[in-house]
Amino acid sequence: NAGVMQNPRHLVRRRGQEARLRCSPMKGHSHVYWYRQLPEEGLKFMVYLQKENIIDESGMPKERFSAEFPKEGPSILRIQQVVRGDSAAYFCASSPSGKSEAFFGQGTRLTVV
Amino acid sequence: QQQVKQSPQSLIVQKGGISIINCAYENTAFDYFPWYQQFPGKGPALLIAIRPDVSEKKEGRFTISFNKSAKQFSLHIMDSQPGDSATYFCAASYNNNDMRFGAGTRLTVKP
Repeated sequence: NAGVMQNPRHLVRRRGQEARLRCSPMKGHSHVYWYRQLPEEGLKFMVYLQKENIIDESGMPKERFSAEFPKEGPSILRIQQVVRGDSAAYFCASSPSGKSEAFFGQGTRLTVV
Repeated sequence: QQQVKQSPQSLIVQKGGISIINCAYENTAFDYFPWYQQFPGKGPALLIAIRPDVSEKKEGRFTISFNKSAKQFSLHIMDSQPGDSATYFCAASYNNNDMRFGAGTRLTVKP
């Protein structure tokens, strides 16, 4: 049973481009969480999704950011028109239910140049 | 607002010593308190977790102490080893939803 898989591991985008970050949860996990980590800082909650539903997006900026977790396929975090301040590590975690431990992926390190 | 406050920001301990990291939370609805360990370039890995119905949980060299009335919990690492050098995050959540993390403590264990 593979762990939480995130890709790409590293992503470089120019200002104004779009960034798409993918997260495949562990097998059997239907709950996905996205976090952002700035250098030397903690993890900031962004969004919590279950299959086809956004449960809590209170930590996600209202503009340029969106997330989805379709019935089939990975969860996608999309950042449109990226700016330098979006440069960070983005981590995805998954759990089998809302009452279970969450397991993290290795993260995607986004660099905006 | 920061719902989980963690201290210290960094900690240096000699090999064999005890590492202690503290966290305080605000939301009394929180019912799950995990600690995560993160090595550079890696994702956080669950280390140990506690629920508020117990005051202490021990797993090997790692112990969580929980004080519900004070809304505080702490991680103790006994007999600290250089391999324990990492960043440690406390977290809190209600029903495991949208876990809120502390800012992290960078632990260095000197040989």
